[in-house]
Formats: sequence, C-alpha cells, structure tokens
Amino acid sequence: DAGVTQSPTHLIKTRGQQVTLRCSPKSGHDTVSWYQQALGQGPQFIFQYYEEEERQRGNFPDRFSGHQFPNYSSELNVNALLLGDSALYLCASSLQRLDRGETQYFGPGTRLLVL
Amino acid sequence: GQQVMQIPQYQHVQEGEDFTTYCNSSTTLSNIQWYKQRPGGHPVFLIQLVKSGEVKKQKRLTFQFGEAKKNSSLHITATQTTDVGTYFCAGPTDSGYSTLTFGKGTMLLVSP
Repeated sequence: DAGVTQSPTHLIKTRGQQVTLRCSPKSGHDTVSWYQQALGQGPQFIFQYYEEEERQRGNFPDRFSGHQFPNYSSELNVNALLLGDSALYLCASSLQRLDRGETQYFGPGTRLLVL
Repeated sequence: GQQVMQIPQYQHVQEGEDFTTYCNSSTTLSNIQWYKQRPGGHPVFLIQLVKSGEVKKQKRLTFQFGEAKKNSSLHITATQTTDVGTYFCAGPTDSGYSTLTFGKGTMLLVSP
C-alpha cells in the first residue's frame, strides 16, 4: 500500500518562472490538501481539493492554483515565482472529514528554491 | 481566525532528561493531532486525541488533551538522541473538513 508520493523532490527556479508540483494520495483517500512550510515554521494550509474541485483555500494569492484529477492525484501550480515562495511544499491526503476521527498523511514534500 | 500556539519554540536537553511541549488553541477543537518532523524530513503523524481529558501513551511519549479541548501536551520521559526533531500539534480548522491548523512547533535537540 503506497503512501503519499510527491514529485519532484527538489526544484530550483528563478524569480518570475512558473512551477508545477505533483502529488499522488494514499490509496483509498479522496481528499488532497497542500501546505507550504517555510524554514522554521509550521505547515501553512494553501488549499484543498475534493471531487476535482477546490473546496477550501487558505490565505494565499491567486498565483497559487491547483487541480485534482479523477484518480485523486493533484497538482499545485505557482506562477510568477517570488523569492519568498522558497519552501517545502507538502501534500497531505485524507478522507473527507477530519472531525470524524480521520487523519492526514503527509508526503515527503518538494523543496523549492527560488533564486 | 483560529490560532494554535506552541511553547517552547526550542529546547535543548541532555540525553535522559524529560521534555514537555505545550499546545494551546484559540478555539475548542474536535480533536488534536501531533506530528514529528525530523531534520530534513516531513511531518509524520504520531497520534490523535479526541476526548476531553484524554491521555494516551506511546512508550516514552505521553499525550494529553485538556478538559476544555483547547490545550494539549506532549511529554517525553528519558529522552534519547532519536527523539531529536520538531514536534507539531495541529487541530482541524474552524470550517471543518480535513484541513489542519498547525502550531509553529517545538524543536527538540538532545545531546548525548
């Protein structure tokens, strides 16, 4: 049973470029959430996808967008990269509702460095 | 909006000493979850607490959920060098669904 997988593991981009990160959820999970973790901080929620739609969004600009595919995998796109976008991007999969005793499982993350 | 705060930010102990990190939420939580992140790694789920006043143990780790379901603690007895990492607490966001609000974490360093 594969856990959450993410690709690529590391990425270096320059300011103004665009990047796409990919995530495959744990088998049986239908919900994918993306988090940004800056150095020395806790993960911050970017958005969540369920049934191929963005269901909830954190406090991130429109430069951050995403997509979920019918097989539940997901992509995170960031346009017009800024130096401050350098971070570890985490994908977490879960079943629909955490308040019913479910939990989230995190992937290994993609480390993005913007120069 | 909902806030989750953790103290201390950082603690350095000698191997064999005990360690405690505290977590406080600005809102009542339906449950609280704890994660451990090793240096260079990703958050790994440790445990979830659901009931008011609940206490759970995992070997040398003891987790507690407050009576008001707004605070929690993680206590490690007789730390080992393998305990090094950052410990995060997280609770479901106010809007429900499966998103989490994380604290900033407590970084634990253990010297042999």
